[in-house]
Amino acid sequence: DGGITQSPKYLFRKEGQNVTLSCEQNLNHDAMYWYRQDPGQGLRLIYYSQIVNDFQKGDIAEGYSVSREKKESFPLTVTSAQKNPTAFYLCASSRPGQGIYGYTFGSGTRLTVV
Amino acid sequence: QKEVEQNSGPLSVPEGAIASLNCTYSDRGSQSFFWYRQYSGKSPELIMFIYSNGDKEDGRFTAQLNKASQYVSLLIRDSQPSDSATYLCAVKGSYIPTFGRGTSLIVHP
Repeated sequence: DGGITQSPKYLFRKEGQNVTLSCEQNLNHDAMYWYRQDPGQGLRLIYYSQIVNDFQKGDIAEGYSVSREKKESFPLTVTSAQKNPTAFYLCASSRPGQGIYGYTFGSGTRLTVV
Repeated sequence: QKEVEQNSGPLSVPEGAIASLNCTYSDRGSQSFFWYRQYSGKSPELIMFIYSNGDKEDGRFTAQLNKASQYVSLLIRDSQPSDSATYLCAVKGSYIPTFGRGTSLIVHP
């Protein structure tokens, strides 16, 4: 079955440490996205990518980095510059076609600073 | 700044009733409108989308869009306890959608 796989499900980060969240999809979707969700908050866009080797900053990109070397993969690195990284991170993908398709989400990664 | 507003709730309805969830948006150029359901601790799941003014029905769900008044709503008929979740409204203009904060729905037996 096609879908989006995020790993790990839970991740603990020490102060000053970089961590990478994995996102892999086999839906053949061109566009991929990273969102952050905090309790009681909506989804906030971190980065998105419409094609391989290209990505754009979202509303809260500071302290995060991404790469898009393959169509199937869009990993997110949470760097030590992100001062408040504890949150639920969601990866999503969508079919090409401007404005007319919704998202398929992965199951999420819950990141906690220890 | 594009805004999407939802009442955070919780909206509490008895089993079998109609649940009505509302969403207003600020960008008049918005073209596509989506409803996602998110169970506690889980990721959102797309349940409805609508592009044209009027109603769109899918099973127990009906999405209603009024572009002139800039609101979109979701009706859930014959509500079940399994419908208890947070419902996120997403509004899309040119490319990236803007999400509301969601409305928590509780369906009690």
